[in-house]
Amino acid sequence: DTEVTQTPKHLVMGMTNKKSLKCEQHMGHRAMYWYKQKAKKPPELMFVYSYEKLSINESVPSRFSPECPNSSLLNLHLHALQPEDSALYLCASSQGAQDPYYEQYFGPGTRLTVT
Amino acid sequence: AQKITQTQPGMFVQEKEAVTLDCTYDTSDPSYGLFWYKQPSSGEMIFLIYQGSYDQQNATEGRYSLNFQKARKSANLVISASQLGDSAMYFCAMRAQGGSEKLVFGKGTKLTVNP
Repeated sequence: DTEVTQTPKHLVMGMTNKKSLKCEQHMGHRAMYWYKQKAKKPPELMFVYSYEKLSINESVPSRFSPECPNSSLLNLHLHALQPEDSALYLCASSQGAQDPYYEQYFGPGTRLTVT
Repeated sequence: AQKITQTQPGMFVQEKEAVTLDCTYDTSDPSYGLFWYKQPSSGEMIFLIYQGSYDQQNATEGRYSLNFQKARKSANLVISASQLGDSAMYFCAMRAQGGSEKLVFGKGTKLTVNP
């Protein structure tokens, strides 16, 4: 089973709201990722967790706060977002973070609209 | 630093014909993996095929094959017997041993399959 699940599928939030995106995988993967994708562009890496520890933060604004409660779950907490943060947010996982030969499996994404 | 170049913003193919999507890469790292992903309009990134830098044979997965020419640093995706459901955005991506956990994407090629 190569499934990564994400909830919710769609999210509309105001600039003062607090919301969370959730991601789950049951493939025993040790690395999990958050990406942001704008229309007609490739995904941009935001965060990498390796063995439940944050290993990469691509200079993401603090209004995005990642959390990895356990090896299967990854959350992205959102607070005081801006309209330009509207995008497709993709979660991914892979067997290992350091090995270049492991593919990443992506979830279906959350389409976020900030009003 | 790693770089992926996809020079075809859009491609058209007739149903049941074969199509080649171009991808060139640049890295000084001898150990790397090359990946192709499909992204339909629904948004999910679907892993298609993988090629390792030390693999002697071209990778194949069903109707997908990867034409790996290491000396030319190219990793073109060949889709045989195109189907209407193949219409999507296709991304070439790369991870290098020295590139940490990052998956570097090209800008993508939008494939349209005509009936």
